[in-house]
Order: sequence, then C-alpha cells, then structure tokens
Amino acid sequence: KQEVTQIPAALSVPEGENLVLNCSFTDSAIYNLQWFRQDPGKGLTSLLLIQSSQREQTSGRLNASLDKSSGRSTLYIAASQPGDSATYLCAVMGNDMRFGAGTRLTVKP
Amino acid sequence: GAVVSQHPSWVICKSGTSVKIECRSLDFQATTMFWYRQFPKQSLMLMATSNEGSKATYEQGVEKDKFLINHASLTLSTLTVTSAHPEDSSFYICSASPGIQQPQHFGDGTRLSIL
Repeated sequence: KQEVTQIPAALSVPEGENLVLNCSFTDSAIYNLQWFRQDPGKGLTSLLLIQSSQREQTSGRLNASLDKSSGRSTLYIAASQPGDSATYLCAVMGNDMRFGAGTRLTVKP
Repeated sequence: GAVVSQHPSWVICKSGTSVKIECRSLDFQATTMFWYRQFPKQSLMLMATSNEGSKATYEQGVEKDKFLINHASLTLSTLTVTSAHPEDSSFYICSASPGIQQPQHFGDGTRLSIL
C-alpha cells in the first residue's frame, strides 16, 4: 500500500524567505503527483501537477520537482508571503490517490 | 484514527444509470464533507462542500441536479451521479472534517467508468 510522508509537519518562517517542503512516497509506480494548498475550513486548491514522466513544474513563485525513482518530491516557495500561510498537501496517484498528512506553513509578517 | 471510508472503489455501469457513492467517517463525526473529481491527467477539482443537515454548496460549473449530495448524518455523505453518461467517467474522492479549522481526512476514491 502506498504511503506518503511529508516533512516537516509544521514550518514557521519570516516573510521573504525561500522554503522547501518535502514529500516522499514508498511505491514509485505512480501516474502523477500533485501539490495542494488547504486553507482552514476550505476544500483543496490544486497548485501543481507533475506527470510521472516529468521532473518539475513551475507556477509563479512555486516550483515542484519529482524524482520518481527515489520516491521524492519537493515544493519550493520563493519569497514567501503571509498569504502563503496554509497547509500544503502532496498526493500521489497510483491505483488510487494517496495524500500526505500535510505541512502547516506559517509566514510571519 | 480519523479514517474515512469511501465505497465503492470502482464502478463500471451503462449509460443512463444513476450511481451512488458513499463517504463515511468511521471514528469521528464529520460536520463538513467535501467531494472532488479528477479527470485523467488533470488536477483534482472541488465539486461541492456539504455540511451536516444543510444543502451542499456547489462550485461554479457543477450541476446540482446532476450530482446530488446528501449529508444526512455526521458520519455519512453520499454523492449520486444521476443518469450518468460517458463524460461523467472520472475519479471521485471525498474528504471529511470534524469541524472548522480541523484537518480533512480523505477517502481512497471511487473510479467511475460509464460505458
């Protein structure tokens, strides 16, 4: 059974810092990997989707990488802002979708 | 703890059939449940948010009469795809939350294939 782990569980940084969120998975037989943002009481917002054949995707200040062979993905956030404060989830799609527990990010003004 | 069970995991049926998907929180009371769908090679998209005892809030572009959501108890929400057609074939996933500001817990998803 696929297991997805996200490290760290929580992260607090001052505004303007660049930061990296980590996601690891145990089964490399995946179709894609997604990073989501979750605000309290809200549904998920998709940030980036990386197909299994791709190595990275970029959107604005966000860059996600995928190393399928090692079972790892990172989400890089540049020049963090207080509005980036949220929980970030990664999810891998194999026979079904498996989510990590998330990283709760706080960006302090 | 915090287990969400989604059933069935896979459905194949003929066009015109109505399909019901269940989402149950097994060890906690879920005041809010979310329903998502994902087309192949596309991102997961929120369809609707349901709160126990009240009508679901649908995202823009999601047909209320097509996707009936019922959240009649604190442990069960159902999504019924009415008169399903091949374009409704997709991956549907639910999540449940015990309350505002509480984390969501996800089911394993339902793969729906309409022939």
